[in-house]
Amino acid sequence: EAGVAQSPRYKIIEKRQSVAFWCNPISGHATLYWYQQILGQGPKLLIQFQNNGVVDDSQLPKDRFSAERLKGVDSTLKIQPAKLEDSAVYLCASSLGTSAYEQYFGPGTRLTVT
Amino acid sequence: GENVEQHPSTLSVQEGDSAVIKCTYSDSASNYFPWYKQELGKRPQLIIDIRSNVGEKKDQRIAVTLNKTAKHFSLHITETQPEDSAVYFCAAYGAGSYQLTFGKGTKLSVIP
Repeated sequence: EAGVAQSPRYKIIEKRQSVAFWCNPISGHATLYWYQQILGQGPKLLIQFQNNGVVDDSQLPKDRFSAERLKGVDSTLKIQPAKLEDSAVYLCASSLGTSAYEQYFGPGTRLTVT
Repeated sequence: GENVEQHPSTLSVQEGDSAVIKCTYSDSASNYFPWYKQELGKRPQLIIDIRSNVGEKKDQRIAVTLNKTAKHFSLHITETQPEDSAVYFCAAYGAGSYQLTFGKGTKLSVIP
């Protein structure tokens, strides 16, 4: 089966600019996750969708980050305005059921904020 | 919330030897413990997982053990090969938070 797709793979922006990332989960997967992975650390959950509803966004910096999952399939994550500390890899993952079991990750988007 | 500690942060072994990575978790209600392998610049890949009703699970050269009483779980890799070199992450699924919390990772180097 096809895996989780993400684009772009790399992005370099200046601070205070905006950026958007796109994710297409594995077909049929109900739950979609966005993670932030800072160099040398494990992924940290930003937001979790079940179908097109938000399950958990407690760690999403809502003053600058937003995400949506229209029609319960693709999702976009936006940062506006970006800060230097947002430099990280943004990983999208999906799982078949409504729990967090067996999450499969996409290749990620490496964001560099200068 | 859940807190996951992972040790060691780096591990070097000779090819053919075994490698063990250990994790502890704080939420006694956690019930799912996956392990991910991440090669440099690649996506994390699920390599094995265990649920709280099982004490041990094996898949070829890798195995995971879980001690619910002590709240720790371990990854065992036997007969290590150079292609096992990667960063390994443990994670715990907290029934209270409904999210995966990851450890900080262990960089495993297998020396030929």
